[in-house]
Amino acid sequence: GAGVSQTPSNKVTEKGKYVELRCDPISGHTALYWYRQSLGQGPEFLIYFQGTGAADDSGLPNDRFFAVRPEGSVSTLKIQRTERGDSAMYLCASSLSGQGEQYFGPGTRLTVT
Amino acid sequence: ELKVEQNPLFLSMQEGKNYTIYCNYSTTSDRLYWYRQDPGKSLESLFVLLSNGAVKQEGRLMASLDTKARLSTLHITAAVHDLSATYFCAVDMRYRDDKIIFGKGTRLHILP
Repeated sequence: GAGVSQTPSNKVTEKGKYVELRCDPISGHTALYWYRQSLGQGPEFLIYFQGTGAADDSGLPNDRFFAVRPEGSVSTLKIQRTERGDSAMYLCASSLSGQGEQYFGPGTRLTVT
Repeated sequence: ELKVEQNPLFLSMQEGKNYTIYCNYSTTSDRLYWYRQDPGKSLESLFVLLSNGAVKQEGRLMASLDTKARLSTLHITAAVHDLSATYFCAVDMRYRDDKIIFGKGTRLHILP
């Protein structure tokens, strides 16, 4: 079956602009996670959804970052007033129930110029 | 705060050799994962280790977990060039705060 998909695969934006990154999880997976991975580092947890609600958003670095999952499926990570330090690979993962193995999408590489 | 440390962070080795990557973590964990990542790609799940003494093998890779020592190992047997990648361990704290914490990764380069 289809895996986790993310769009766009690459996004280049100017400092100060607003961006949206989309994640489409595996069908039927109730848990969805966002991670950020900087070059040479491991993925860093941002936020976890169980269904439509954010169960843990403690990894969001500041209030410029926000994520939604209005219907419990697709999620959008929103970044306002982007900064060069936001440049990274943004990874999305989903799992069946929130207590199982996570399956990662291909990622969105964000570059802020 | 949970910390996950891998070593070495970089490893260059000859084909045919054996080596072990170590993953230490700082507090009691519920489960431990090993992932592989190729350059510019996403993460591929290799192993999920659920209990003390768990050992799993897939091809030339074998992972083990010692929860008392808070240590997991990924052992590579008779390495081949195709195993060149970055390997991450990740520790699951889900029953406490829903997070998975990753190590910094071990970049493995296998020379033909």
